[in-house]
Amino acid sequence: NAGVTQTPKFRVLKTGQSMTLLCAQDMNHEYMYWYRQDPGMGLRLIHYSVGEGTTAKGEVPDGYNVSRLKKQNFLLGLESAAPSQTSVYFCASSYDRGYEQYFGPGTRLTVT
Amino acid sequence: GESVGLHLPTLSVQEGDNSIINCAYSNSASDYFIWYKQESGKGPQFIIDIRSNMDKRQGQRVTVLLNKTVKHLSLQIAATQPGDSAVYFCAENHTGGFKTIFGAGTRLFVKA
Repeated sequence: NAGVTQTPKFRVLKTGQSMTLLCAQDMNHEYMYWYRQDPGMGLRLIHYSVGEGTTAKGEVPDGYNVSRLKKQNFLLGLESAAPSQTSVYFCASSYDRGYEQYFGPGTRLTVT
Repeated sequence: GESVGLHLPTLSVQEGDNSIINCAYSNSASDYFIWYKQESGKGPQFIIDIRSNMDKRQGQRVTVLLNKTVKHLSLQIAATQPGDSAVYFCAENHTGGFKTIFGAGTRLFVKA
């Protein structure tokens, strides 16, 4: 049981480039989330999904898009990367909205 | 506004002593509270949770206390070990909503 996995672990982009972060979970969870973590700040919700085929905006959605074509996968896309998007990105999943979230190991993204 | 904060950004304790990490929350509608542990380079890991119909909950070496009157949450770690060194986040959630609010974190140092 791998839990929540994320790929890639590290990535360096130049301003204006695009990329997709992949999150996969094998716990059959309905809810999935994408967060960013910046130094000295708590986790901030970018987008979330309450089930296959659904997505919704979180606290800081600008500059990001997501897709949940399969229940086990949640993709985060950056269409035109900016230095302000340099951060560590975490994916998480949960059984329901009132339950603990299981986090992946994170992706460290640097935009130069 | 909604906020979850921590009183102390860093805490240093001697191995074997008990640790207490505090957290304040401001949303009186929150009814589910979680503590996470994050080790360096890893994703947050669930430690213990408590719902608003409880004042205290115990796990293995950890206890969470909830004081709804003053909107205060604490995590107690008994017989702190070097492996407990990490950043600890409190989080609050209103189970009627989708958003979990995370605090900025407290770094716990355990001195051998």
